[in-house]
Amino acid sequence: DQQVKQNSPSLSVQEGRISILNCDYTNSMFDYFLWYKKYPAEGPTFLISISSIKDKNEDGRFTVFLNKSAKHLSLHIVPSQPGDSAVYFCAASEGFSGGSNYKLTFGKGTLLTVNP
Amino acid sequence: DAGVIQSPRHEVTEMGQEVTLRCKPISGHDYLFWYRQTMMRGLELLIYFNNNVPIDDSGMPEDRFSAKMPNASFSTLKIQPSEPRDSAVYFCASSDFYGYTFGSGTRLTVV
Repeated sequence: DQQVKQNSPSLSVQEGRISILNCDYTNSMFDYFLWYKKYPAEGPTFLISISSIKDKNEDGRFTVFLNKSAKHLSLHIVPSQPGDSAVYFCAASEGFSGGSNYKLTFGKGTLLTVNP
Repeated sequence: DAGVIQSPRHEVTEMGQEVTLRCKPISGHDYLFWYRQTMMRGLELLIYFNNNVPIDDSGMPEDRFSAKMPNASFSTLKIQPSEPRDSAVYFCASSDFYGYTFGSGTRLTVV
């Protein structure tokens, strides 16, 4: 029973274009959402997050959008660079009360390939 | 800080053998998590600890799996006996107020 779903296993885009990675969730109690990036042979690293009280959060080339009514979030990367090629995991938590006090539920990940 | 340290990086074992995965969290982090990554299920939480005490082990797949955290600087995940379907990458992560830090993982292959 996947509570966090990333329905696209892979995505390929050209350098300089926009990458859009999607994520859906089913648990209405989720109130904090995160994106992690993972290179081969390394652990996932935090990329960007958003609280359920917001609908957008931006950090440089990365923007996360949250649509609570649709239980959907997306990560936009503009412009995409070859170094962005990695697996991107969507994650969610409920009852967030601080960075340490939560367990994360992850999606299966989307492999992004940015072609030069 | 060296980050979260996992050992070994790779483990190949025969079915039926005992496997022990090790994790050293970041000093000062009060939560420790064990995750497993597979193609079919993605990253799934197995168990997590708070101040060395197991809080939620509902993700541990079977009694063959056990985890301990004898002190704040060390945790183990043990599989006994191991089976081919246990083949996966196992990640340990520790966290403080600012969020998770993952180790580089242990790639386990059971043949």
